Amino acid sequence: GDSVTQMEGPVTLSEEAFLTINCTYTATGYPSLFWYVQYPGEGLQLLLKATKADDKGSNKGFEATYRKETTSFHLEKGSVQVSDSAVYFCALSSLYNQGGKLIFGQGTELSVKP
Amino acid sequence: EAQVTQNPRYLITVTGKKLTVTCSQNMNHEYMSWYRQDPGLGLRQIYYSMNVEVTDKGDVPEGYKVSRKEKRNFPLILESPSPNQTSLYFCASSSRGYRAGGDTQYFGPGTRLTVL
Repeated sequence: GDSVTQMEGPVTLSEEAFLTINCTYTATGYPSLFWYVQYPGEGLQLLLKATKADDKGSNKGFEATYRKETTSFHLEKGSVQVSDSAVYFCALSSLYNQGGKLIFGQGTELSVKP
Repeated sequence: EAQVTQNPRYLITVTGKKLTVTCSQNMNHEYMSWYRQDPGLGLRQIYYSMNVEVTDKGDVPEGYKVSRKEKRNFPLILESPSPNQTSLYFCASSSRGYRAGGDTQYFGPGTRLTVL
């Protein structure tokens, strides 16, 4: 079945450091790919998405490119801030998924120190 | 403001005492879904609904019931809660019903449930 694998955390960075969170997927067909973010004590918010190969999603300085050849959707940010501390989830959804469900990775906790 | 709301946000209860977690969306979305989030297991779908009066099981439906009598509401019912249902629950919605796969889902703030 479809699945998402994320790099394990926690990840600890200093402010202004470069961030990469790796995400790879296995899916039938051509899924849409998402990054969601969960700030402490809050629900999941959509960070960015991409719906087809070579699409780049971007938001709040974060970027991710849909790479079909490597089945990857790595999240990057050039300069992280303390306010970026959160848990990040990579997810996919496909027309072939029964029930239209999102399939999530395990989540990667990011902690940014001043 | 477009949003998904859930109530209550926090709930502590005892084994066997029926409870309902409400979910409401104001975006006129056709699709709604419930997930639970557990450490080490990530988020897993419990039930979903493609439209009014159309519901179906997700990956972990045991011990839960849902109903969709109105488009905006999708309550999650635990008829006889057990400690293994202690979890963080999220309701989500998206605009498409049929063939909702691939569509963006919008999440509520979550309900933290503890069953003693």
